[in-house]
Amino acid sequence: DQQVKQNSPSLSVQEGRISILNCDYTNSMFDYFLWYKKYPAEGPTFLISISSIKDKNEDGRFTVFLNKSAKHLSLHIVPSQPGDSAVYFCAASARLDMRFGAGTRLTVKP
Amino acid sequence: GAVVSQHPSWVICKSGTSVKIECRSLDFQATTMFWYRQFPKQSLMLMATSNEGSKATYEQGVEKDKFLINHASLTLSTLTVTSAHPEDSSFYICSARGGGGERETGTGELFFGEGSRLTVL
Repeated sequence: DQQVKQNSPSLSVQEGRISILNCDYTNSMFDYFLWYKKYPAEGPTFLISISSIKDKNEDGRFTVFLNKSAKHLSLHIVPSQPGDSAVYFCAASARLDMRFGAGTRLTVKP
Repeated sequence: GAVVSQHPSWVICKSGTSVKIECRSLDFQATTMFWYRQFPKQSLMLMATSNEGSKATYEQGVEKDKFLINHASLTLSTLTVTSAHPEDSSFYICSARGGGGERETGTGELFFGEGSRLTVL
C-alpha cells in the first residue's frame, strides 16, 4: 500500500531553469512533510520540510508547496544547478510513522 | 547540525553468519530510531521503529527474528541480520530523532546515517 507516491521516476532540466518535483499522498493523518536528497551509496540528506498548517516554505533555491485538499506537495528548485542532480525523496510523517515516496531522479544538464 | 554515524559502511559476509550494524547519534539523544532498507532503484522501506528501552515495532512483512533491533541507550541502536542469506544483501540506513519538539522549526526532524552496504555471499 503506497501511501506516498512520486509518479515521475526521472526528470531532466537545463541548468538555470526550474525543477519541479511532485509528490502525492493518501493518508490524511500525515501532518508533516519533508524532502530528502540522496546520492548513490549515501544516506539521504534533509532538504526542506513543511508542516500541514502551512502551504509554502522557502529556503534559498528550494521551495516546498503543500496542497492539503489535493494531498499533493511539490518541490521547486530555481535556478537548477548541475550539483542538484540526485534522487529526491518526499516523505510524509504522522507522529512516529514516516513513509517515503519511490524517489525521482533529477538530472540537471549544464 | 546533528550527526548520526552508522558503522560499518560496508560489510561482506558468508551466508549463514550474522552481521551487526550500529547507528549512533553523536551530539544528541535519540529517543526514536528508524531502520530502513533500500532496494536498487526503489524507495526507502521502513523496517522498524525503535524507542529507547523498549521493544522495536516492526513493519508488516519484516521478520523480527531475522532482523534484531536493540535500542539500549539514547545514542545507540543496533540492527543484527541473523543467519544472513544472499537475498538480505541490501543498503541499510538508520535515522534518529531527538526528543525535542522541533517539528515546527523547519529544520528537519530526522537525521540519517550514511548507510551500510551488506553483501552476503
